[in-house]
Order: sequence, then structure tokens, then C-alpha cells
Amino acid sequence: ETGVTQTPRHLVMGMTNKKSLKCEQHLGHNAMYWYKQSAKKPLELMFVYNFKEQTENNSVPSRFSPECPNSSHLFLHLHTLQPEDSALYLCASSQEGSGANVLTFGAGSRLTVL
Amino acid sequence: DAKTTQPTSMDCAEGRAANLPCNHSTISGNEYVYWYRQIHSQGPQYIIHGLKNNETNEMASLIITEDRKSSTLILPHATLRDTAVYYCIVLPLGGGSEKLVFGKGTKLTVNP
Repeated sequence: ETGVTQTPRHLVMGMTNKKSLKCEQHLGHNAMYWYKQSAKKPLELMFVYNFKEQTENNSVPSRFSPECPNSSHLFLHLHTLQPEDSALYLCASSQEGSGANVLTFGAGSRLTVL
Repeated sequence: DAKTTQPTSMDCAEGRAANLPCNHSTISGNEYVYWYRQIHSQGPQYIIHGLKNNETNEMASLIITEDRKSSTLILPHATLRDTAVYYCIVLPLGGGSEKLVFGKGTKLTVNP
């Protein structure tokens, strides 16, 4: 247990479904992140939230919609996904302003799109 | 334009020291060397970071050469649970965690 909890751990969805991934951090951090990791590819940063404000969106398709209601919770809403969106989705948090550049990751949500 | 170069894979016997090298010949004076690892199907885990002095914590030791162009992460007594992909990253302190770029890393396999 790292202090960052992701649910569900596994998700199978059809291309027309709407689902959400949830992330909660118990570390008192002020920044949260979504990463995507496809098979045999490096981690790709998707979204960054700093003090609940989105500060980065790395050209992610609109079928991925993030939501950060407070500094402890982060959601990734999924709608009309494609099979190539199947991947491990990782949430992370950090304390920005401390200068440490230390990310704490969750265990990930394994998404399969049929 | 990769800022670090690591071997693709390495093997180590259980109980022996694992020495993972990283080249960062273009490192700037204000850039730190960070190490993370990712066990299969889990999120990456921070291990250690340093600027120019050698660093040690409960997980590993980091040895940085005097010219800072390369470093070695040392796991003193590798266990099977240390089998993972190890990432070496350079970044200025306070550079923003979103700028941590996880490349391909080194796949370390610890054998019984």
C-alpha cells in the first residue's frame, strides 16, 4: 500500500460504455496525475492537477475526461473508447513546491476495451 | 533526445549485489539523478536521488562519478522481489514532477 489507492484494479468495457476510474491519495499531497502505460511502451503523462487546477493536458483525446473535485481525489471518465485505449492507467501524487520531484504511484487500473 | 542511457536488461543472482549503470553525459549542474523502479503490472516506485555525493537509504545506494556523467544504483543484496524495470532520470530539483520522463529503463531479473 503506497498511500495512493486506485479502483477498480481491472475493468473490461465495450466501446459504447461509460465508466470511470477513481484515485484517492492519503498523503496530503497537492498534485495528482494520470499516466497511461500501453504494452511494451514507456509511461505517457496524460493529465496533471496542481492544487485541483488542471495544469497539463498532453493532447489526450476528449474521450478521456479527468475530474479533480479536491486535492485528494482524481477521476478519469471514459466514454466511447477504442480497443487501442486498452492499457494500464496509473495515478500518482506528489507534493509540489517541496522541490523533491518524488511521485507516489498507485497500483494501477488495467483497462481492456472490447 | 534521451538524457540518460541504460542497458536494456541485466541479470543478477539472488543475494548478490545488483549494480545498475546509467550514463548521463549531458547532465547540467543543477540536475539531480533520480532512480525509480517498476515491478511488473504495478506503478513505479521512487528509490533514491542525488546530486553529486553518494547517497544511501534503506532501499539502495547511489554512486555518482566525480564528473557526474554517469551513476550506478546498487542493490546490496538482491532478492527475487527486486526483479523490476529500473529507470534513471535526470531533472533539476524543483523542476516539476510532471517532467519526470520514464524511458525504457533496465529490466533487472534476479535469479534464484
